[in-house]
Amino acid sequence: AQSVTQPDIHITVSEGASLELRCNYSYGATPYLFWYVQSPGQGLQLLLKYFSGDTLVQGIKGFEAEFKRSQSSFNLRKPSVHWSDAAEYFCAVGARDNNDMRFGAGTRLTVKP
Amino acid sequence: NAGVTQTPKFQVLKTGQSMTLQCAQDMNHEYMSWYRQDPGMGLRLIHYSVGAGITDQGEVPNGYNVSRSTTEDFPLRLLSAAPSQTSVYFCASRVANYGYTFGSGTRLTVV
Repeated sequence: AQSVTQPDIHITVSEGASLELRCNYSYGATPYLFWYVQSPGQGLQLLLKYFSGDTLVQGIKGFEAEFKRSQSSFNLRKPSVHWSDAAEYFCAVGARDNNDMRFGAGTRLTVKP
Repeated sequence: NAGVTQTPKFQVLKTGQSMTLQCAQDMNHEYMSWYRQDPGMGLRLIHYSVGAGITDQGEVPNGYNVSRSTTEDFPLRLLSAAPSQTSVYFCASRVANYGYTFGSGTRLTVV
């Protein structure tokens, strides 16, 4: 089955600084890839997704992610972080032919004023 | 449009008790799943469904049953609760080629 690794458990950035959250996946074929965000006590919200085509995908709240097949990565980026971006971020990989979607352990983002 | 509705929001069970976590969606989504979320482990897939009458096991299915008699409903049954099942449970639904819509979660404590 597919799997996801998020190497960074916790990241702290200053407000206005750029952000990159790492995600590596394992899957034998071309995957479906997702990033979700979770605020404390809430469910998860979809930020962006990759299915095929352009490897740089744009999402909500100014986030983007780049699919790199050669590195099995799907890193999330934002040019300038806002205090409201503090949350936990989850990368997920899905199979094309079923509903088996696996999540990484998450990266908690802290934003310093 | 309510999205994905989970009930109850909080529940305390005694070891050995059984219960059903309810999940309903009003978006006519084909795919539905149950996840549990534990600190440091992300979300782990319990069971999933690709349509009414079709279910399959995920990563951590032991101790849980599901059924999908209608498109809208996907209840999760705990057969005999154990302290290891203390967790936050999320139900989610989606259509093909799109991401999940998540419910707000059920926080379950087994004592």
